[in-house]
Amino acid sequence: GENVEQHPSTLSVQEGDSAVIKCTYSDSASNYFPWYKQELGKRPQLIIDIRSNVGEKKDQRIAVTLNKTAKHFSLHITETQPEDSAVYFCAAFPLDDKIIFGKGTRLHILP
Amino acid sequence: EPEVTQTPSHQVTQMGQEVILRCVPISNHLYFYWYRQILGQKVEFLVSFYNNEISEKSEIFDDQFSVERPDGSNFTLKIRSTKLEDSAMYFCASSLGHSGSPLHFGNGTRLTVT
Repeated sequence: GENVEQHPSTLSVQEGDSAVIKCTYSDSASNYFPWYKQELGKRPQLIIDIRSNVGEKKDQRIAVTLNKTAKHFSLHITETQPEDSAVYFCAAFPLDDKIIFGKGTRLHILP
Repeated sequence: EPEVTQTPSHQVTQMGQEVILRCVPISNHLYFYWYRQILGQKVEFLVSFYNNEISEKSEIFDDQFSVERPDGSNFTLKIRSTKLEDSAMYFCASSLGHSGSPLHFGNGTRLTVT
């Protein structure tokens, strides 16, 4: 089955700097890769997603890149702000029903 | 914007008791899911449900667990004979379609087994 590895587990960046979170997946049939942001005590919320037919997608300060050959995808947050502090989960969606999540990255934005 | 709703927000139960966690998925969604998140850990898949039957389940979803869609709106997770290690946040989610459809999560039910 699908296996998703996510790095780093914790990331601290200065406010205004960029943050990059990386994930790898194992099932080459996976075709959909969402990213979720989870604030403390709240539900995971979809922030951006990418499908396997594109290599990059951007939404304001957030971008995701996908390298299908290498089976890895990354989340990029530019000009980080205090409200970006949260846990971020990558996920991969193989052809069956279950999205598989990474273990999460706790992002701290330092003042 | 329509939301997935879950009740209760917090459930405390004694070991060995049965609990039912309730969810109301988004009305036009067709796929329903339960996920579990032990404190500080990743979100783990439990089960997916489509067309009134389980379509996929994980190794976590053993005979202790069952799901039901008793009417046109509710989707429930039953845990029989709860164990201490069942303590976690349980998230219901729904999606409009299958592969490649975003999941919409509820706010979760925090289950505490004592």
